[in-house]
Amino acid sequence: AQSVSQHNHHVILSEAASLELGCNYSYGGTVNLFWYVQYPGQHLQLLLKYFSGDPLVKGIKGFEAEFIKSKFSFNLRKPSVQWSDTAEYFCAVNAPGSGGYQKVTFGTGTKLQVIP
Amino acid sequence: SQTIHQWPATLVQPVGSPLSLECTVEGTSNPNLYWYRQAAGRGLQLLFYSVGIGQISSEVPQNLSASRPQDRQFILSSKKLLLSDSGFYLCAWTHRGNRNTGELFFGEGSRLTVL
Repeated sequence: AQSVSQHNHHVILSEAASLELGCNYSYGGTVNLFWYVQYPGQHLQLLLKYFSGDPLVKGIKGFEAEFIKSKFSFNLRKPSVQWSDTAEYFCAVNAPGSGGYQKVTFGTGTKLQVIP
Repeated sequence: SQTIHQWPATLVQPVGSPLSLECTVEGTSNPNLYWYRQAAGRGLQLLFYSVGIGQISSEVPQNLSASRPQDRQFILSSKKLLLSDSGFYLCAWTHRGNRNTGELFFGEGSRLTVL
């Protein structure tokens, strides 16, 4: 069974600091990888995704993530965070199932607090 | 464009009372539908998924049930709520077939408090 680990549960940064949130997954086959974000009071939304091709993917609001297959990792990065990046971030991995079902497994989430 | 709505947004219910949370998707057909529960520090736990009308699969044994009476309608229910059913429930959908990449589209969520 697939699993996802996010090692940072709560991160506090000052504005303009660089961000890297770790995500490791376990699954032996081909996977699609996602980062979702939940801003305070808002619903979960997709930040970026990796399906294939260039392992460095860029998402909204200046975020990027790098898929390193040998390390089973998909870390999220941003060179300079803003106060508006305060949110909870979830890494997720999906693997094809049967009958049109895609099993998506989420990590436990990382709460990012950016201090002005 | 596709939209997903779930209601009610908040709900306070006594122990032993029934529950019904509803979710509808618009702008697409034959979606896969999901119910997740989000708990602080525990991420999102998949409760139920459905690949078609009347087809429900449960990921974890629990006090809840789900139904899909129509293609774009997904309902989460309980006959008798427990205190442990309190939480934040999220409905989501994905495309089916070749359009399905695993990308989930989430509703606004329903916060349930059982007293």
